[in-house]
Amino acid sequence: AQTVTQSQPEMSVQEAETVTLSCTYDTSESDYYLFWYKQPPSRQMILVIRQEAYKQQNATENRFSVNFQKAAKSFSLKISDSQLGDAAMYFCACFISGSARQLTFGSGTQLTVLP
Amino acid sequence: DTGVSQNPRHKITKRGQNVTFRCDPISEHNRLYWYRQTLGQGPEFLTYFQNEAQLEKSRLLSDRFSAERPKGSFSTLEIQRTEQGDSAMYLCASSSRDNWTQYFGPGTRLLVL
Repeated sequence: AQTVTQSQPEMSVQEAETVTLSCTYDTSESDYYLFWYKQPPSRQMILVIRQEAYKQQNATENRFSVNFQKAAKSFSLKISDSQLGDAAMYFCACFISGSARQLTFGSGTQLTVLP
Repeated sequence: DTGVSQNPRHKITKRGQNVTFRCDPISEHNRLYWYRQTLGQGPEFLTYFQNEAQLEKSRLLSDRFSAERPKGSFSTLEIQRTEQGDSAMYLCASSSRDNWTQYFGPGTRLLVL
C-alpha cells in the first residue's frame, strides 16, 4: 500500500512571494500519478496540478509548479507570486492505476497568505 | 460541463437513523469514487465504481455502509444505523475512461446527534 506524508501542517507566505510545500510518498509500483489538490474554506477540493511518474519533466500550471524527484520519492509544490486566494489546505495525493485505483492523500498543509 | 454535484449538502440526523447521499458525476465520466473526510484530515477512500460495477468495496468502514450505481450514472451512499462517529464530510469524485484525474464534488456534511 502506498503512503503519502506532508510534514508541514502549516505554512505562511507573504503576498507576491514564493512558497514551497513538501510531500513525500512511498510506493513499490512503477506506474503512478501524483496530484496536488487545494481545499479552500468552502471545502470544495480543487485540482491544482498533476504529474505522471513516467514523465521526467516537472509539471507546470501558471503560477504552480512541482519538483518531482522520483528516486527520492519527493513531490513538492511551488507557488509563485502568491495571492490571497491561494490560502487553503493543500493536499498531496498518489494514485496507483494498476491496483485499487484510489487516491491516497497526505494529511495536508494549511497555507496562509499574509497581505 | 457542470462538475460533480452532491446532495444534500448538509444532513443532520439522530443516532440510529439511516441516511442516503447522492452523487452525480461529470457527464460521460465512467468512474466514480466515494471518500470520507474528517476534520483536519485528508480524504479516506471508501469505494469505487467503473460504470455500474463496484470494483472496490473492501474499504467501506463497516457493513452499515453500502453504495450503488445502478445505471452507471449517479451513485448513492447509504449509512444504516448511524453512529456519532459517522459524522464527517462525504466526498464524491469522478474520472473519465482515458484520464485518471479525479474531480471532486462539494461534499455532503453529515452530523449525527
